[in-house]
Amino acid sequence: GNSVTQMEGPVTLSEEAFLTINCTYTATGYPSLFWYVQYPGEGLQLLLKATKADDKGSNKGFEATYRKETTSFHLEKGSVQVSDSAVYFCARMTNTDKLIFGTGTRLQVFP
Amino acid sequence: DAGVTQSPTHLIKTRGQQVTLRCSPKSGHDTVSWYQQALGQGPQFIFQYYEEEERQRGNFPDRFSGHQFPNYSSELNVNALLLGDSALYLCASSSGPTAGYTFGSGTRLTVV
Repeated sequence: GNSVTQMEGPVTLSEEAFLTINCTYTATGYPSLFWYVQYPGEGLQLLLKATKADDKGSNKGFEATYRKETTSFHLEKGSVQVSDSAVYFCARMTNTDKLIFGTGTRLQVFP
Repeated sequence: DAGVTQSPTHLIKTRGQQVTLRCSPKSGHDTVSWYQQALGQGPQFIFQYYEEEERQRGNFPDRFSGHQFPNYSSELNVNALLLGDSALYLCASSSGPTAGYTFGSGTRLTVV
């Protein structure tokens, strides 16, 4: 089965609301973890990453902390914008340099 | 600096036909991976190429094959197309395992 689990969407928020998208993983050891974003009709863009436990990845106001105790990498943003509307994918790297993705979480932000 | 470039952007094929998709990696990247993304799903790993060889493969049938050229560009070939092969095919390149992958915009394949 899939070893990356994301909260199901869609997540619907008003502009300037706080965002959390949960992500947990199963793996041996401490794999590198990633968040990718996919805008409509486009490919994936790397949003942020963390390569070891307790690292915090951040970019464009988004943050995620690598929590080994809870095997989680939740994505957060303090104040979302309409332009953040997209599908967000959590992913982990295997020890053979392959990415395993979650099923994605659609975020819809309304003005 | 161009990122990952894929061609064509869209493609319509008939069941049983064969298709070739192309990918140019980001400058400086030597590893290319291909992913299949069905509608509403996360990308699924097809295979990975490094130094012109298939380094690892996901759970896809032999109808899916690939190639990497000396300039690191890559092709994905799918034979005997099925309706279920309709998906967005993503190419990703990397310069190392902790660098993360840079993805192209994908090729949308529709099999009718």
